[in-house]
Amino acid sequence: AAGVIQSPRHLIKEKRETATLKCYPIPRHDTVYWYQQGPGQDPQFLISFYEKMQSDKGSIPDRFSAQQFSDYHSELNMSSLELGDSALYFCASSSRTSGGGETQYFGPGTRLLVL
Amino acid sequence: DAKTTQPTSMDCAEGRAANLPCNHSTISGNEYVYWYRQIHSQGPQYIIHGLKNNETNEMASLIITEDRKSSTLILPHATLRDTAVYYCIVRGIYNQGGKLIFGQGTELSVKP
Repeated sequence: AAGVIQSPRHLIKEKRETATLKCYPIPRHDTVYWYQQGPGQDPQFLISFYEKMQSDKGSIPDRFSAQQFSDYHSELNMSSLELGDSALYFCASSSRTSGGGETQYFGPGTRLLVL
Repeated sequence: DAKTTQPTSMDCAEGRAANLPCNHSTISGNEYVYWYRQIHSQGPQYIIHGLKNNETNEMASLIITEDRKSSTLILPHATLRDTAVYYCIVRGIYNQGGKLIFGQGTELSVKP
């Protein structure tokens, strides 16, 4: 079965640079979530989109922005990168039209290293 | 969403059943219990979820107590590849935002 696709899988940036992470949800999924996982930490929710509209927001820095496009893929844009942004970034997708509790399926993640 | 409490770590012998407990004493009537696991630095993997009835799928069984204040994830025949951090997450139905709040989780080590 098709899974969530994230690109790139690895990314190395310098401080103050920008980065764009992409997420391609499972076909026919209408909701995308972004999570950040720092070294030795648990995943933390950043932001989510449902039908191309922002649906929830977590502890996402103002330097980060995201959107969901008409084809349901999503991009997380990160500017003025800091050393502390080095982390794994996961995207998850789900379908809110499914019954019995919506289930999120995660992608493999993008490992961002800021030098 | 209700908070969960899990043991920090557990060991299990290969081939034996792994029983991972979770307490969620403040769970409300419209909240599901979800289990995910994360194998080192990979994306969290969905295992199973339930509302009040016990559930079973090809990966595991979920036993929820009658008062819904605790649950147990059962991996019937643990293998070395089941070594991972297991997260028990209580989450409201999707129209309440939908985000998953990951707590500490249980680090399960399956040993030969």
